[in-house]
Amino acid sequence: DAGVTQSPTHLIKTRGQQVTLRCSPKSGHDTVSWYQQALGQGPQFIFQYYEEEERQRGNFPDRFSGHQFPNYSSELNVNALLLGDSALYLCASSLGAGPGYGYTFGSGTRLTVV
Amino acid sequence: AQTVTQSQPEMSVQEAETVTLSCTYDTSESDYYLFWYKQPPSRQMILVIRQEAYKQQNATENRFSVNFQKAAKSFSLKISDSQLGDAAMYFCAYRSGNYGQNFVFGPGTRLSVLP
Repeated sequence: DAGVTQSPTHLIKTRGQQVTLRCSPKSGHDTVSWYQQALGQGPQFIFQYYEEEERQRGNFPDRFSGHQFPNYSSELNVNALLLGDSALYLCASSLGAGPGYGYTFGSGTRLTVV
Repeated sequence: AQTVTQSQPEMSVQEAETVTLSCTYDTSESDYYLFWYKQPPSRQMILVIRQEAYKQQNATENRFSVNFQKAAKSFSLKISDSQLGDAAMYFCAYRSGNYGQNFVFGPGTRLSVLP
């Protein structure tokens, strides 16, 4: 049973460009959350998607946007990239958005902005 | 807003020994969950142990146990019989008991296991 799959694993972008990261949730999961983990820090919540809608959002600018498809997979888009956007982007999936358990994380996409 | 603090950026332990990682948190909520996640070099966040705030009994998972002090808002992780495979970043995380809430992670503790 595949877990959470994220692509690509690494990528390098130039400041000002746009990037799209992809996440396929664990089989049976319908909710996807995105986190940004800067080097040496803990992950920070970006947003959560359920039923193809953004349900909750963290303290991130509008340059960060997302989408969820009918098959529950999700994309994270970042426009006008800044050097500070360099980070590991983690996707976590779950069945619903219940608080206690059942969240599976992917191995992330390492984004480097130069 | 909730915050999670881990005051030990780095820790080391001898193989087969015991180590305790510290975590404190701040919240005004009464219903919440606390977690310890492990992040090895593979980068995937792996759940180590979970504690429901309404449960007084400390959670235990094999060699891993917690000391949950609700009044002090403290949630430490004890790793017994440490193994080389335990070396990783460890993150303490908080999650509200309300539906749809996100994880709030601490800054992490890097654990080294010495042979």
